[in-house]
Amino acid sequence: DIQMTQSPSLLSASVGDRVTINCKASQNINKYLNWYQQKLGEAPKLLIYNTNNLQTGIPSRFSGSGSGTDYTLTISSLQPEDFGTYFCFQHNSWPYTFGAGTKLELK
Amino acid sequence: EVQLVESGGGLVQPGRSMKLSCAASGFTFSNYGMAWVRQAPTKGLEWVATISYDGSSTYYRDSVKGRFTISRDNAKSTLYLQMNSLRSEDTATYYCTRRGEVMDAWGQGASVTVSS
Repeated sequence: DIQMTQSPSLLSASVGDRVTINCKASQNINKYLNWYQQKLGEAPKLLIYNTNNLQTGIPSRFSGSGSGTDYTLTISSLQPEDFGTYFCFQHNSWPYTFGAGTKLELK
Repeated sequence: EVQLVESGGGLVQPGRSMKLSCAASGFTFSNYGMAWVRQAPTKGLEWVATISYDGSSTYYRDSVKGRFTISRDNAKSTLYLQMNSLRSEDTATYYCTRRGEVMDAWGQGASVTVSS
């Protein structure tokens, strides 16, 4: 199975900050990497698919990059509604796997 | 508007069975692959199973293979997850998702608790 290692597991930031969340795969996943946001008590929401494609309706302050085994989610200017938990997900090979999550909290 | 509504969750004893349903609306269900993803209490997300748009292909994580069956009825726009021989470690909220690779729409989740 492909292991997805997310870092950091906890991130404290302020409104207006630029934040990055990293995801490292245990092997090449050929850019088949998605990012999801989950708020407490809600279902996850797709933000970015296939490394750098912004899902419809997601603000442009969210962006993704990476290749091979290393991927990054960037929020250019943190907004109050961005706090929550972020997960990466690889769909390059079965079984598909998620990262353990990064909790983004208000500093 | 795309909607996915799960049903069928609840409390079940270890070793027993349960079937989850996911009613889809707002899109042409038969055009899309679908998947189930679960989340144990206070834990992360775990992909469970995926089915192709026509039901001809299915994929499972090893821990549920042989116990769970994903299926669909395109005439009813409904996705199913038949869960047999349930274990305590299957306790989770189960989400129905559209497009097994991109997962661009999610239901609100169905809670399954396996306990005696």
